[in-house]
Amino acid sequence: DSGVTQTPKHLITATGQRVTLRCSPRSGDLSVYWYQQSLDQGLQFLIQYYNGEERAKGNILERFSAQQFPDLHSELNLSSLELGDSALYFCASSASGGRGHEQYFGPGTRLTVT
Amino acid sequence: QQPVQSPQAVILREGEDAVINCSSSKALYSVHWYRQKHGEAPVFLMILLKGGEQKGHDKISASFNEKKQQSSLYLTASQLSYSGTYFCGTEIVGSGNTPLVFGKGTRLSVIA
Repeated sequence: DSGVTQTPKHLITATGQRVTLRCSPRSGDLSVYWYQQSLDQGLQFLIQYYNGEERAKGNILERFSAQQFPDLHSELNLSSLELGDSALYFCASSASGGRGHEQYFGPGTRLTVT
Repeated sequence: QQPVQSPQAVILREGEDAVINCSSSKALYSVHWYRQKHGEAPVFLMILLKGGEQKGHDKISASFNEKKQQSSLYLTASQLSYSGTYFCGTEIVGSGNTPLVFGKGTRLSVIA
């Protein structure tokens, strides 16, 4: 158990809908990262927050947005969902927002868009 | 700037050794190694920050060749529990906060 929690574990929704994925980092970690993992694909970095502020952005679609709240939990919002958005979404946390620090991954949310 | 991992997949018998390579076209600040079992979260194995650095974790170790911009993960006397997909993640040298970029992974299967 990494100490990172994600809810829900599974999500099934229809195209065009909007969903929110939630992540709570390990106690004491200030940085949260979101990743997308499609079938047989590697981990694609989406976005990073550090202590409530956006720190780095990857190839995140405009339909996707995220935020980190004062209690450090983070939410990833996915809207106008398409079939291709079906994937595993992981969040990870680390103590620092800088480089050279290990990331601890949550169990993931499996999103299925039908 | 995604690192390239090789091989893509490898099958081992228990007790055999394996090497997984990770190479980058950019100068590297750090290399991270993770293992992911099917349907589970990636688990952190180790991080290498300096060229020439070597680290070990049980019978799994890694090296970082800064000049060659590559890292290798060594699995010695493999066990069934080593099965999974191994990912390297790299942070490149440069200004700004560049995120960790993962390779496509190496699928390792250990059989009895």
